[in-house]
Amino acid sequence: EAGVAQSPRYKIIEKRQSVAFWCNPISGHATLYWYQQILGQGPKLLIQFQNNGVVDDSQLPKDRFSAERLKGVDSTLKIQPAKLEDSAVYLCASSFFGDSQETQYFGPGTRLLVL
Amino acid sequence: LAKTTQPISMDSYEGQEVNITCSHNNIATNDYITWYQQFPSQGPRFIIQGYKTKVTNEVASLFIPADRKSSTLSLPRVSLSDTAVYYCLVGPGRRALTFGSGTRLQVQP
Repeated sequence: EAGVAQSPRYKIIEKRQSVAFWCNPISGHATLYWYQQILGQGPKLLIQFQNNGVVDDSQLPKDRFSAERLKGVDSTLKIQPAKLEDSAVYLCASSFFGDSQETQYFGPGTRLLVL
Repeated sequence: LAKTTQPISMDSYEGQEVNITCSHNNIATNDYITWYQQFPSQGPRFIIQGYKTKVTNEVASLFIPADRKSSTLSLPRVSLSDTAVYYCLVGPGRRALTFGSGTRLQVQP
């Protein structure tokens, strides 16, 4: 079974530039999550989708971050404009609706460096 | 959401049993306890989940006392490849979405 795919793996941009990350969840997984992980900290949930609807985006900085999952499969996370403090690893995860343990399967992440 | 507290780091040697304890004093009645493992440059990976007493799988055991205010992840006979960060998450329900800072386990030869 293929895992969660993310691209790009690495990205370096200057502050005030925009950047987008892509995620392809495991086939059949209706729930998709985006996390931000700053060095030395645990992942922090940014947004959760159920199919193409947003379940929770309470921790998403909506003035600069946006995310979409138009067809209920792939998702993109965008930052515009980026700030220095956005340097982090952005993790995408998915889970199967109906999984009794609500297990999240994580992708390898996109490492973002904002200069 | 229940707040969790776990040691920042632990050291062990190959072949030893490692026990990582997590405190969650305000766990809710319907909350489950879930542990994830994260290697450098990888996303977290599910290890085990439990509600009460003891749960065991091929990787680890999870011990939860009757008051459920703490839990202990037990890794039998660790190897160098168990060096990782271990996260304890609590609720809501089975959906564990709030990661703390985790416990950094270093296994030495």
